[in-house]
Amino acid sequence: DAMVIQNPRYQVTQFGKPVTLSCSQTLNHNVMYWYQQKSSQAPKLLFHYYDKDFNNEADTPDNFQSRRPNTSFCFLDIRSPGLGDAAMYLCATSRDGGAAGANVLTFGAGSRLTVL
Amino acid sequence: GQNIDQPTEMTATEGAIVQINCTYQTSGFNGLFWYQQHAGEAPTFLSYNVLDGLEEKGRFSSFLSRSKGYSYLLLKELQMKDSASYLCAVLDSNYQLIWGAGTKLIIKP
Repeated sequence: DAMVIQNPRYQVTQFGKPVTLSCSQTLNHNVMYWYQQKSSQAPKLLFHYYDKDFNNEADTPDNFQSRRPNTSFCFLDIRSPGLGDAAMYLCATSRDGGAAGANVLTFGAGSRLTVL
Repeated sequence: GQNIDQPTEMTATEGAIVQINCTYQTSGFNGLFWYQQHAGEAPTFLSYNVLDGLEEKGRFSSFLSRSKGYSYLLLKELQMKDSASYLCAVLDSNYQLIWGAGTKLIIKP
């Protein structure tokens, strides 16, 4: 089945120790997104790619970086995780970022980050 | 600023009907989405409304009034597995998705 796969599902790191989260998709969708979601809060968009075009949200800290080496893969790098970065990180894809009906997001299962 | 309002939590009984409301104030409108999110899991798509009226999909229906900036999600014949958070999200004029914080629905036997 076509899907969005995130690894790892659970990541424990120490304060300041870099972390990389990965996302792969078999949907051949143009757009890939990284969201941060804390308990009982709305998902917060960190970045999105339309094909290779990178879009950084204005309030995304410099501590967060992203790479999309090809259509299928996307990575989230947290260079120096702080306690406030503990959250669920959700990768999502959509067929197209423009036409509304094509904006239905398909999410991966998420990567839960714990910072000690 | 842009804003989506939903009740934080609702409780309903198995077999009953529940309506979850969502009001929004956004820069333009290109559609409204409802997603279901079980605890510790990713959101899954439920419904999409871009025109006024009711969209029915099995036990779930979603209603939209663009003039009132209002939507609701109606869940019928509630089952225990419907216990989840329900997130309302609006696509604004820049095709940016604005998310509500979600409504946690608790189903009691």
